[in-house]
Amino acid sequence: SQQGEEDPQALSIQEGENATMNCSYKTSINNLQWYRQNSGRGLVHLILIRSNEREKHSGRLRVTLDTSKKSSSLLITASRAADTASYFCATASFSGGYNKLIFGAGTRLAVHP
Amino acid sequence: EAQVTQNPRYLITVTGKKLTVTCSQNMNHEYMSWYRQDPGLGLRQIYYSMNVEVTDKGDVPEGYKVSRKEKRNFPLILESPSPNQTSLYFCASSLASLNEQFFGPGTRLTVL
Repeated sequence: SQQGEEDPQALSIQEGENATMNCSYKTSINNLQWYRQNSGRGLVHLILIRSNEREKHSGRLRVTLDTSKKSSSLLITASRAADTASYFCATASFSGGYNKLIFGAGTRLAVHP
Repeated sequence: EAQVTQNPRYLITVTGKKLTVTCSQNMNHEYMSWYRQDPGLGLRQIYYSMNVEVTDKGDVPEGYKVSRKEKRNFPLILESPSPNQTSLYFCASSLASLNEQFFGPGTRLTVL
């Protein structure tokens, strides 16, 4: 079963607007990671936030983590057409006797010029 | 340049014809894994390897084999491919299982 589930499934915005994507999960985690995937290409790591952290920034990206609600959000500020991609959250946890990284189904972001 | 490479990038084959997808990383990572990506299902882990000669099943291992004879290489073997293995495959590596993953460019496999 999927651990991380992104919301919304798809998001369409204009250049310059902010984009917010959410990720919910079910069990305790060690960390949560966000990745970007351009169409048909490999995933690229964006940010890793540990379970004892609440917020992290990287350039125009801001990630928050609320372990009490078991949720995370990825905010892309001042979006650009080049931000058009799918975004995945991945939860890292110790499950079933071993470490596990589970990916959600992703949010497809379209940024229109 | 630090990278994960996969070959081939595209492959069309027929049911039952054994194939191997190679994966190599140049970052001296201990952890490597294989995923398949299908529409609406995200990435699902097929097999992973914690180190040389140490491999284990992921969530969807049926129909696949792997080996880890050297640290840098982690080939994925389909002994008798079937149409339900048509998918986009990614190899990934990292320092440890819960660290950031470095992904290869993907292999698009079609089994007729």
